[in-house]
Amino acid sequence: RKEVEQDPGPFNVPEGATVAFNCTYSNSASQSFFWYRQDCRKEPKLLMSVYSSGNEDGRFTAQLNRASQYISLLIRDSKLSDSATYLCVVNAGNQFYFGTGTSLTVIP
Amino acid sequence: DAGVTQSPTHLIKTRGQHVTLRCSPISGHKSVSWYQQVLGQGPQFIFQYYEKEERGRGNFPDRFSARQFPNYSSELNVNALLLGDSALYLCASSLDTLNYGYTFGSGTRLTVV
Repeated sequence: RKEVEQDPGPFNVPEGATVAFNCTYSNSASQSFFWYRQDCRKEPKLLMSVYSSGNEDGRFTAQLNRASQYISLLIRDSKLSDSATYLCVVNAGNQFYFGTGTSLTVIP
Repeated sequence: DAGVTQSPTHLIKTRGQHVTLRCSPISGHKSVSWYQQVLGQGPQFIFQYYEKEERGRGNFPDRFSARQFPNYSSELNVNALLLGDSALYLCASSLDTLNYGYTFGSGTRLTVV
């Protein structure tokens, strides 16, 4: 079983739509959690950390459910510039595990 | 401020050769980690260093090794290259190993022929 699992998509949504990505992780001792975005042939860029209480950064909301070992990312009012691959990242015992990424295309 | 810098940006090697990839972290960052990314997949964790000590190791063969220098820069070495080692190698740095996300360099694209 993979350490981190994500739905690879692709998700194709119209501008202005709300879209949610989900991620599950297998190691219950995982300690920190992040969402990254990666544009085609570019390096991953940190989007936001994910906290147990949930956190928001503008149009982006991240949530963590430790009991279900589940992380989510919600993007509201999608913009064309949000088109990218979104990677879920879990830190477990000084090992960082990336999901395979979820591809998002925002359509005009 | 300079971000994470990696060199070289591209590299072509022959099977069986050895390669050294280099990484300079963001100033003030003491943790460096290395990842391998093949097309269509997420980055795979190789090593994590903090204060010049190895703190984490992914599921890679012993042909892969790394070190961190007193100035916190790092090298990734791969011996006896295989065709399957062809990938984008990413270096990332962070203030610590746990609480802060990592900032990535733009990577070294290694092709083994």
